[in-house]
Amino acid sequence: SQQGEEDPQALSIQEGENATMNCSYKTSINNLQWYRQNSGRGLVHLILIRSNEREKHSGRLRVTLDTSKKSSSLLITASRAADTASYFCATDSSGSARQLTFGSGTQLTVLP
Amino acid sequence: EAQVTQNPRYLITVTGKKLTVTCSQNMNHEYMSWYRQDPGLGLRQIYYSMNVEVTDKGDVPEGYKVSRKEKRNFPLILESPSPNQTSLYFCASSLSGRGGYTFGSGTRLTVV
Repeated sequence: SQQGEEDPQALSIQEGENATMNCSYKTSINNLQWYRQNSGRGLVHLILIRSNEREKHSGRLRVTLDTSKKSSSLLITASRAADTASYFCATDSSGSARQLTFGSGTQLTVLP
Repeated sequence: EAQVTQNPRYLITVTGKKLTVTCSQNMNHEYMSWYRQDPGLGLRQIYYSMNVEVTDKGDVPEGYKVSRKEKRNFPLILESPSPNQTSLYFCASSLSGRGGYTFGSGTRLTVV
């Protein structure tokens, strides 16, 4: 079952602009992760934010987490054409089973 | 190089002909998992393994088998493939299942 839902489903921006993607989820989590997938390729882990953290940075990436609203956002600053990919949030839900549940993804296109 | 290796990358087979997709990781990870990715449905977990000889069903286990006889290997077995198992399959591993996952490059399976 899908836990996370990304919004928007597709986003098209110009190079140099910022891109913001949102993720909502349903149950309590241990952590939330963001992944990137280039067309047809394997997913690449970008960043992990724990349930007791509110914001995290990694290079041009900024992730926020609001556990009261069960939502997260991924901001990519100064986007580049190479950032064109699908972005997925994934939740590690509280409980005994170590399963990572992925959302449906946001397709980001950065136009040169 | 730390990686998850899946083979084959592409496979076309006929209904009912048993096949195995191999997955191997060289990071001494305890946790391994299989996902399938279908358009509009995102990534769905098939099976996962928390350690050698410990496996459990994910969200869509029907028609699949797995085994974990060694820590590094986690093959996915389709005893009698059917056309609805045509999909893009990913193997992933994680140190404990709680952190970021490392994904393989994927296996595109077509069952005719």
